[in-house]
Amino acid sequence: LAKTTQPISMDSYEGQEVNITCSHNNIATNDYITWYQQFPSQGPRFIIQGYKTKVTNEVASLFIPADRKSSTLSLPRVSLSDTAVYYCLVGDISNAGNMLTFGGGTRLMVKP
Amino acid sequence: NAGVTQTPKFRVLKTGQSMTLLCAQDMNHEYMYWYRQDPGMGLRLIHYSVGEGTTAKGEVPDGYNVSRLKKQNFLLGLESAAPSQTSVYFCASSYDGFQETQYFGPGTRLLVL
Repeated sequence: LAKTTQPISMDSYEGQEVNITCSHNNIATNDYITWYQQFPSQGPRFIIQGYKTKVTNEVASLFIPADRKSSTLSLPRVSLSDTAVYYCLVGDISNAGNMLTFGGGTRLMVKP
Repeated sequence: NAGVTQTPKFRVLKTGQSMTLLCAQDMNHEYMYWYRQDPGMGLRLIHYSVGEGTTAKGEVPDGYNVSRLKKQNFLLGLESAAPSQTSVYFCASSYDGFQETQYFGPGTRLLVL
C-alpha cells in the first residue's frame, strides 16, 4: 500500500505559482498518481493524473521524477478561487483499497 | 446530463433509526462508490461496486449496507443509525476502472442524535 504524505496547509498570493509536493516512497510499479481538488461543501473534483515524467492539462501540471517516490502538483498563477483542499492519491488500478485512499490533503489558502 | 445526484441533501435521524441514501448517475458508468467525510478529514471509502449486481467492502463498511440493482443507482443503507455515523456522505462514479476519473455528487449531510 503506497502511503502518501502531503503538507497539511500552504498559503499563497494571487498570481503566484503554487507547487504542492506529495511523497510516496513505497510506490509500486503499477501505481498511478492522481490529484483531486475539493471546495467546502462539495465533492472532490479530478485535476490530473500521471504515471511518470510530466503531464499537463488546462488546469495544472504534474511533475514526477524518475524514481517516482514523489510528485508535484503545479498550479500556475493561482486566484482566490483556487483556495481548496488538494488530495494526492496513489494506487494500483486493480485494487480499490489502494486507488481510493484519500489522506488528509493539503489546504491551500490563496490571499489577495 | 445531471451527472451524479444524491438524495436527500440533508437528514436528521435519531439513534437506532434506519434510512437509505440514494445515488444516481446518468453517465452509464460501471463503477460506483460511497464515501464518508468527517469534519476536517479526508474521504474514506465505505463500499463500492464494479457493476450492476455487484458490491464490495471498502475501508469502513461496518454499520452500512449497499445495493446496486440497477446500473445507474447505488443505494447506501443504515440499518440502525449511531451518532458515530454523523458525517457527510459522498457518492461517486467512474467509467470503467478505479484509475478512471471519479465524478462526485454534491453530498448528503447526515446528523444522528
